[in-house]
Amino acid sequence: GQQVMQIPQYQHVQEGEDFTTYCNSSTTLSNIQWYKQRPGGHPVFLIQLVKSGEVKKQKRLTFQFGEAKKNSSLHITATQTTDVGTYFCAGRNYGGSQGNLIFGKGTKLSVKP
Amino acid sequence: DVKVTQSSRYLVKRTGEKVFLECVQDMDHENMFWYRQDPGLGLRLIYFSYDVKMKEKGDIPEGYSVSREKKERFSLILESASTNQTSMYLCASSPGQGTQPQHFGDGTRLSIL
Repeated sequence: GQQVMQIPQYQHVQEGEDFTTYCNSSTTLSNIQWYKQRPGGHPVFLIQLVKSGEVKKQKRLTFQFGEAKKNSSLHITATQTTDVGTYFCAGRNYGGSQGNLIFGKGTKLSVKP
Repeated sequence: DVKVTQSSRYLVKRTGEKVFLECVQDMDHENMFWYRQDPGLGLRLIYFSYDVKMKEKGDIPEGYSVSREKKERFSLILESASTNQTSMYLCASSPGQGTQPQHFGDGTRLSIL
């Protein structure tokens, strides 16, 4: 069935280094959402991208939605220890079941101080 | 602020038992979801519901059933628990419009012995 592939599965960085996670869908998405799950916590919504080629920023986080609406990325500039967690992308198909999201498997980020 | 409450944070049951996981949301959301989360597999959708008494199968419904008798409550039922159902179970809710984010509960870590 429909899949959203997310890479890498794990990323270990030194504090201050940049970090990027990528999502790819086999079909065109109507929108894509990003979530962050802190260790021991639950996924928390970060942002949604809807338009082709859209770029949004939240402080050190930059989110992009591809022109074909099949891929997306999250880039963190100058990571901090507070960025530790697992980042999930979640896409919605056109005509998909109401409210239903397809989650990537997540990228687990660890930051060494 | 949206509150999604799962009845138990930790639960230990025995093989063959019938297990009920309860989830309640306080924001009058139409959509409710049950996921299981396993290391390396991300979030996998078990069942979802977009209205009272309505339900749809997700990606891994086998061995599970659900009940939604009231809008605010969505129950996940393990008909006859097995050890391979040991996992973290996450409930989520979202408003009826397809572009809205999902709000997650804290999760139930279920161990089947």
